[in-house]
Amino acid sequence: SYELTQPPSVSVSPGQTASITCSGDKLGGKYISWFQQKPGQSPVVLIYQDTKRPSGIPERFSGSNSGNAANSGNTAILTISGTQAMDEADYYCQAWDSSTAIFGGGTKLTVL
Amino acid sequence: EVQLVESGGGLVQPGGSLKLSCAASGFSISDSAMHWVRQASGKGLEWVGRVRSKVNSYATAYGASVKGRFTISRDDSKNTAYLQMNSLKTEDTAIYYCTREYSTGFYDIWGQGTMVTVSS
Repeated sequence: SYELTQPPSVSVSPGQTASITCSGDKLGGKYISWFQQKPGQSPVVLIYQDTKRPSGIPERFSGSNSGNAANSGNTAILTISGTQAMDEADYYCQAWDSSTAIFGGGTKLTVL
Repeated sequence: EVQLVESGGGLVQPGGSLKLSCAASGFSISDSAMHWVRQASGKGLEWVGRVRSKVNSYATAYGASVKGRFTISRDDSKNTAYLQMNSLKTEDTAIYYCTREYSTGFYDIWGQGTMVTVSS
């Protein structure tokens, strides 16, 4: 079965850039979504179709995928520029495989 | 206000059954696929399954861990999706979320979740 791999945790200082990776076989050929989940809350979509941001999502959130960006390999990246304390949360990538939704294991972002 | 509201969660014994509902308001679910996603305490998100729209023949699909035990359905006239869970196991204990798959293939609306506890 298809798997998406994320680092369990990422730390970043306020104002700095955080990068969260999501790896999977031939990931560049799939569309990736990214979700943010804060404790006790439902997930919220930050990025869809690799790079698109829904209305209301701050511009500091951006996405890339190895199929259409500078980074190489089977990796998608969520980038948070100018990270704020409110960005501390769990982040999940998600892709479709044979009409099945696959989620990465999640990454806990700590803003130190 | 656009929202999804799940209900029907609770405590059930292993081997028992439970039916969850997901009521939509502020929009019609008729043109969308509706999905269920669960999350065990302290764990990540796990896709449970989905039911497609009428134009897609209400096709269903399920995750491997629930296939054959869970059934997803919908009633567009009530703007509601359902998750029937049979032969429940302790490992089915989780918060169950329903979510809409928007036309461009991403989850844009999530419910608040309903807790299911399977325990004797």
